[in-house]
Amino acid sequence: NAGVTQTPKFQVLKTGQSMTLQCAQDMNHNSMYWYRQDPGMGLRLIYYSASEGTTDKGEVPNGYNVSRLNKREFSLRLESAAPSQTSVYFCASSAVQGASTDTQYFGPGTRLTVL
Amino acid sequence: GESVGLHLPTLSVQEGDNSIINCAYSNSASDYFIWYKQESGKGPQFIIDIRSNMDKRQGQRVTVLLNKTVKHLSLQIAATQPGDSAVYFCAENINGNSGAGSYQLTFGKGTKLSVIP
Repeated sequence: NAGVTQTPKFQVLKTGQSMTLQCAQDMNHNSMYWYRQDPGMGLRLIYYSASEGTTDKGEVPNGYNVSRLNKREFSLRLESAAPSQTSVYFCASSAVQGASTDTQYFGPGTRLTVL
Repeated sequence: GESVGLHLPTLSVQEGDNSIINCAYSNSASDYFIWYKQESGKGPQFIIDIRSNMDKRQGQRVTVLLNKTVKHLSLQIAATQPGDSAVYFCAENINGNSGAGSYQLTFGKGTKLSVIP
């Protein structure tokens, strides 16, 4: 049981390039999330997927798109990367759909640098 | 908007002593709180959680206290060990009536705990 896995671990992009961050969970969780973490700040929610087939914006969605490919996988896409998107990106999942009192479990993160 | 914050950005403790990490929140509608531990280069790791209908919850060497009157949350670590060195985040969840509010955890900026051997 690997929990939440993310690929790649590290990535360097040039401004304007695109890329997709991959996330998968093997805990049969319904909900999945993408966060970014910047120095000196807490995690901020980019997008989330309450259940397979649905996605919604979080606090900082601009410049990103997501796809809930199936119950296991939730990808984050940067169509035209900007230096402001340099950050560490974390994927998380939680078991129960619609539960406010449900723990989120995090992956190891992707460290993205945009030059 | 309202957010979760922390009183102390850094905390140094002697190995074997108890650690107390504090967190203030300002939204009285928050009904679920989580403490996460994040080691360098890793993702946040769940430590313990507490619901708003409780004042105290204990785990292995950790205790979370919730004071709703003053909107204060604390994490106590007993007999702190070098492996406890990390950044600790508190997070809150608001029980919204629609989708967005139910899923968004609001995180504090974190407290760095350093354990002195």
